[in-house]
Amino acid sequence: AQSVTQLDSHVSVSEGTPVLLRCNYSSSYSPSLFWYVQHPNKGLQLLLKYTSAATLVKGINGFEAEFKKSETSFHLTKPSAHMSDAAEYFCVVSLLNTGFQKLVFGTGTRLLVSP
Amino acid sequence: DAGVTQSPTHLIKTRGQQVTLRCSPKSGHDTVSWYQQALGQGPQFIFQYYEEEERQRGNFPDRFSGHQFPNYSSELNVNALLLGDSALYLCASSLEQGGGYTFGSGTRLTVV
Repeated sequence: AQSVTQLDSHVSVSEGTPVLLRCNYSSSYSPSLFWYVQHPNKGLQLLLKYTSAATLVKGINGFEAEFKKSETSFHLTKPSAHMSDAAEYFCVVSLLNTGFQKLVFGTGTRLLVSP
Repeated sequence: DAGVTQSPTHLIKTRGQQVTLRCSPKSGHDTVSWYQQALGQGPQFIFQYYEEEERQRGNFPDRFSGHQFPNYSSELNVNALLLGDSALYLCASSLEQGGGYTFGSGTRLTVV
């Protein structure tokens, strides 16, 4: 069964410093992996997705993630945090190349950005 | 370009009552999935509709049911509401042949 584990429930950074949000996955198949962001009282917005192409995936707003099969990890990074990055981030796994897709979400990491 | 539209945005119901939530998918999308997000948790898959049929279901009781209409819009119905049903209910639309999901902003259901 596919699952993801987000290793930190909260991450605090200062504006302008790097961001690292950690995610490990478990999958019997070659996974599709995603990062979504959720701002307060908003829906989920796709940041980036990995679907077995390049292992380094670039997303929106300067975020990127690296798929490491040997470590079963898909950590999200950003070189320099901005105040507007404060939100809840979800690592998500999905079956690849099936007629039916079900997204399995991690428990989320709340990113706090201080001035 | 209209994204996914959900209504209502907020709802308060009493235990034992029934509720219907509505979702209009993104233009061109034919598949609708519903998720429940309890406070402090990640979204949990409820079910998915395609061609007006429930195609897959998560670990939710039969009190949760749904419908998809010919125009691809969808409803989520919950009967005999429990306090534990209080959550943000998210609708996501997609294309059956693949591609990404587009999420709505959700309906916040509070059961008192």
